[in-house]
Amino acid sequence: DGGITQSPKYLFRKEGQNVTLSCEQNLNHDAMYWYRQDPGQGLRLIYYSQIVNDFQKGDIAEGYSVSREKKESFPLTVTSAQKNPTAFYLCATLGGISYNEQFFGPGTRLTVL
Amino acid sequence: QQPVQSPQAVILREGEDAVINCSSSKALYSVHWYRQKHGEAPVFLMILLKGGEQKGHDKISASFNEKKQQSSLYLTASQLSYSGTYFCGTESLKTSYDKVIFGPGTSLSVIP
Repeated sequence: DGGITQSPKYLFRKEGQNVTLSCEQNLNHDAMYWYRQDPGQGLRLIYYSQIVNDFQKGDIAEGYSVSREKKESFPLTVTSAQKNPTAFYLCATLGGISYNEQFFGPGTRLTVL
Repeated sequence: QQPVQSPQAVILREGEDAVINCSSSKALYSVHWYRQKHGEAPVFLMILLKGGEQKGHDKISASFNEKKQQSSLYLTASQLSYSGTYFCGTESLKTSYDKVIFGPGTSLSVIP
C-alpha cells in the first residue's frame, strides 16, 4: 500500500535537546512538506521540498532544519533554538491525478518537557 | 499571508446546510479544501484552480472567485460524518507553485 509514514506517533524530549522526526513516503511524489499544528492556529508551513537536494523555508522555519537526500525521505530536526517546540507535526506530499492534492501522514505529537 | 476563514465555528443539526468561506489578500492560483477529524491527519476534499470553477463531491461542493480571491465550501443536508475542522489551503500566483498555505480552520459540529 502506498502512503506516508511518520514515526514515532508520540515523542517526548527534554528541553535543550535536538530531536529528529521521520517522514517516509512510497508514493513516488516529488514534493514534500512539513507543517506544524497548534490548537486554533491551523497548519503552518515549516519547510517544503520540490525535488531531491533542494528545499525552501516556509513561514515558521526558525529553529528547524531539514534534509532531502532521497526522494522518499524528508526528516525534520527540531533544534534547541525552537522556543516552543511542543506541537503536532504533519508531513505531507503533493501528488494525485492533477499533481495538486496533498496527502498527509498520521503526524507526530512532540512534547518537550 | 495566511488566508482568512469564516466562521470560526458552526454547529448544525443533521440535514441543515452550511457555508464556509476562505479569502486571501493575494492573487490565487488554486484553493484546496481539507477536513480533519480530531486526532487524525487532514483529508483532501477538493481543489479549485484559477478559472472560477465550481466542483462537487457528494453533497459537498465549492466555488472559487479568483477576482475576489475567495472560495466557499458548501455542505448541504449535513450528516454526522461531516463533523470536523475544515481547512482551506491556498497557492498564490506570486510565490513558487506548490507552496500551500492553510487557513486557521473552521470547526463544524453536526448534532442529531
